[in-house]
Amino acid sequence: EAGVTQFPSHSVIEKGQTVTLRCDPISGHDNLYWYRRVMGKEIKFLLHFVKESKQDESGMPNNRFLAERTGGTYSTLKVQPAELEDSGVYFCASSQDPGLDTQYFGPGTRLTVL
Amino acid sequence: GQQLNQSPQSMFIQEGEDVSMNCTSSSIFNTWLWYKQDPGEGPVLLIALYKAGELTSNGRLTAQFGITRKDSFLNISASIPSDVGIYFCAGRYTGTASKLTFGTGTRLQVTL
Repeated sequence: EAGVTQFPSHSVIEKGQTVTLRCDPISGHDNLYWYRRVMGKEIKFLLHFVKESKQDESGMPNNRFLAERTGGTYSTLKVQPAELEDSGVYFCASSQDPGLDTQYFGPGTRLTVL
Repeated sequence: GQQLNQSPQSMFIQEGEDVSMNCTSSSIFNTWLWYKQDPGEGPVLLIALYKAGELTSNGRLTAQFGITRKDSFLNISASIPSDVGIYFCAGRYTGTASKLTFGTGTRLQVTL
C-alpha cells in the first residue's frame, strides 16, 4: 500500500510569488492534516480535513494560506503571496480514524522563500 | 495555546549507550505519541500511549505516559547507528479533536 505522498519535495520561490503544495493521502483515509515545521522549532498543526470538509483550520497562519480538498481525495495548500517567514517544511498526514488511530506522515515539502 | 517542552534539544552518544528524553506540558493530554524523523522523511510513529501511568515498549524503545498527564519520557536502550534522527513527542487532547501538538524535537547522534 502506498504511503502519503507530497509534491514537490522542494520549492524555492521569491517573496511575493505563489506556490501550491500537493498531498495525496493513503487511499481510503478520510482524514487529512497539514502541518508545518519552521527550522529548529516544533511541528505545528495547520488544518484538518474530513473528506472534503475543513474540520479544524485553527492553525492556519493567515489568509495568504488556502487549503482545498476537492472530491475528498488529494489536497492542495496554496501560499499567495509568499513571505520570508513562510519558509519551512510542510508535512501532510492522513488517518482513517481521527480518534485513536495513527496519523501517517508524508515526506514533506521543503519551501524556501527568498 | 498548548505547548510542549522537549529536552534535551540534542544528544551525542556512543553506540551501545542508553538514551532518555522527555516532554512536559502546561496542559493535560489524553494521548502521548513519540515519533522519529529520518533525514528527508516524514515523522514515523514509534509508540502511542493512551492511559496515564501506561508504560509501553517497542523493541529497544520504552515510553511512559506520566500520571499527571502532563509529561512523557522515551528511553532507547543499547543505541545503534540507525537510531540517528530527530525524535518528537506529540500530545493530543480530546477537546481539540485529532490535532497533534508537537515538541521541538531531540536530535540524536550516535558515534561508533
